Amino acid sequence: GQNIDQPTEMTATEGAIVQINCTYQTSGFNGLFWYQQHAGEAPTFLSYNVLDGLEEKGRFSSFLSRSKGYSYLLLKELQMKDSASYLCAVMDSNYQLIWGAGTKLIIKP
Amino acid sequence: NAGVTQTPKFRILKIGQSMTLQCTQDMNHNYMYWYRQDPGMGLKLIYYSVGAGITDKGEVPNGYNVSRSTTEDFPLRLELAAPSQTSVYFCASSPGQDYNEQFFGPGTRLTVL
Repeated sequence: GQNIDQPTEMTATEGAIVQINCTYQTSGFNGLFWYQQHAGEAPTFLSYNVLDGLEEKGRFSSFLSRSKGYSYLLLKELQMKDSASYLCAVMDSNYQLIWGAGTKLIIKP
Repeated sequence: NAGVTQTPKFRILKIGQSMTLQCTQDMNHNYMYWYRQDPGMGLKLIYYSVGAGITDKGEVPNGYNVSRSTTEDFPLRLELAAPSQTSVYFCASSPGQDYNEQFFGPGTRLTVL
């Protein structure tokens, strides 16, 4: 079967750095996406990785290791507005997104 | 651009009733999707469309139907609503299927009692 695993909840302090991990087992791989979802709102796109390595975009970075079936999202200089759920999704061989359940990130002042 | 719009925002249905969830996008995207999101679960694909006149089943299509008569609109029909269909429904669109991000509508929160 297809499976995406990520921690249910994490807590971090404003101004700090947090790493959210995602491991996956899917039938085929056509890229990995990270989305942010604030409570009661729609998911919004953060990053896309298809090759191994680190993609940096401002305060957010995403890393991929295809051989390990592993990705992480790194958030630096945390702000209160970063409190949200972070969704990991893998595009499988049929070009359909398989979604993890999301990691709820709580930022404390 | 309004992006992806969905109506209604909230709805309560009785068991056995039917309804249509509306979805419209103004970005001229070929690909459109319907997902449901249950608490503590990942988004599940219900149906998707690769262009006007073409639809296909996703992971959880039972109890739902779709149509795609235009590029802009992709309505989702619930027939004989059941409590198991209580969920938040998101419509999304993308210009292509591979590396393209999906753009989501604001969602419809549906409760079936």
